[in-house]
Amino acid sequence: ETGVTQSPTHLIKTRGQQVTLRCSSQSGHNTVSWYQQALGQGPQFIFQYYREEENGRGNFPPRFSGLQFPNYSSELNVNALELDDSALYLCASSLWGLNTEAFFGQGTRLTVV
Amino acid sequence: AQKITQTQPGMFVQEKEAVTLDCTYDTSDPSYGLFWYKQPSSGEMIFLIYQGSYDQQNATEGRYSLNFQKARKSANLVISASQLGDSAMYFCAMSSSGNTPLVFGKGTRLSVIA
Repeated sequence: ETGVTQSPTHLIKTRGQQVTLRCSSQSGHNTVSWYQQALGQGPQFIFQYYREEENGRGNFPPRFSGLQFPNYSSELNVNALELDDSALYLCASSLWGLNTEAFFGQGTRLTVV
Repeated sequence: AQKITQTQPGMFVQEKEAVTLDCTYDTSDPSYGLFWYKQPSSGEMIFLIYQGSYDQQNATEGRYSLNFQKARKSANLVISASQLGDSAMYFCAMSSSGNTPLVFGKGTRLSVIA
């Protein structure tokens, strides 16, 4: 098992609501990346955080936002939830410049009804 | 833009046999890395093996080996002596440098039969 933990593991929300997902990075890692994995698809990059700032973003609207804290843990926030936001959300922690050492958490499965 | 193609939606293999999962990629970057991950039903992405574009030898990690053919832009995963616990989704991914995000394929579902 990796040292990356995500919470909660499962979540059900109603369309239009807001959600916050959390990720604790592996000890020693300073970079967190978030991915969305729709059913039957590979993960899609949402954004990456390094030194508490967003450093790179995929093709996701601004209602997807994030934070990184001084201890390198991170949050993913999604506003105005839509049905298509239903997916597995994965976070990966790594050292800056060394994504060969990236480790993933077990994911948060979000269902929007 | 980078792209990963996995053309096998599902594969079956007999226990103790070897299996090859196909992956082709497309990139214009001269330097890149190729990854394989295993995703069991629990959801966690488990890192299996990495190959750098300038690595001279094919990567190996225990029962996993990566058949890297740079001219053909392919990076197939070979699993030897399959075990029932190998049944899972397998994803090929790439990135162009240490800081760029991973680009994943759609995955291949491997089922190991006793």
